[in-house]
Amino acid sequence: DVKVTQSSRYLVKRTGEKVFLECVQDMDHENMFWYRQDPGLGLRLIYFSYDVKMKEKGDIPEGYSVSREKKERFSLILESASTNQTSMYLCASSFMNSPLHFGNGTRLTVT
Amino acid sequence: GQQLNQSPQSMFIQEGEDVSMNCTSSSIFNTWLWYKQDPGEGPVLLIALYKAGELTSNGRLTAQFGITRKDSFLNISASIPSDVGIYFCAGQSPFGSARQLTFGSGTQLTVLP
Repeated sequence: DVKVTQSSRYLVKRTGEKVFLECVQDMDHENMFWYRQDPGLGLRLIYFSYDVKMKEKGDIPEGYSVSREKKERFSLILESASTNQTSMYLCASSFMNSPLHFGNGTRLTVT
Repeated sequence: GQQLNQSPQSMFIQEGEDVSMNCTSSSIFNTWLWYKQDPGEGPVLLIALYKAGELTSNGRLTAQFGITRKDSFLNISASIPSDVGIYFCAGQSPFGSARQLTFGSGTQLTVLP
């Protein structure tokens, strides 16, 4: 079974802090994704990566960056956290065009 | 990006009742997916549909890929308490990056005993 692991379930950070959200998958998937989930808005794609050191912007990349130094790990970075980035963040991975496998999410609160 | 309209936003049903939810889009998709998210967990794939008109079942769940390729529905028969959660549809466009999915806003299902 595919396992997508997000390092933190809950995070509380202060406005202006630099925040790292980490995601690791164990199935050698080339595609990895970061989404944020907000009530009434569904899942919105922030960034995705289809290979090591490759990244592409999703629908809402502003205020975020990503890093993919190794195939199994995809990090989401908030350079200067703001309160409107309080949300549930979901990492996912996939092989080729197969359906996504999601992690359990990181609930981030920025105060 | 593309938009998916998912309805209803929420449902309260009695245990044993059947449930139906659907997603529509103004543009075509070549894949429709249905996910379920339990409280505190990430979404889990329920059903994948790859061909227009396709009707697929998974236990008490049945989903269909609309003939126009712009819609899909999910039915749950004889609901039970563990059906509680948020159900998301997702579509994969034949244009742009094949790796990108567009998600609906979700249907929050509550099953009353």
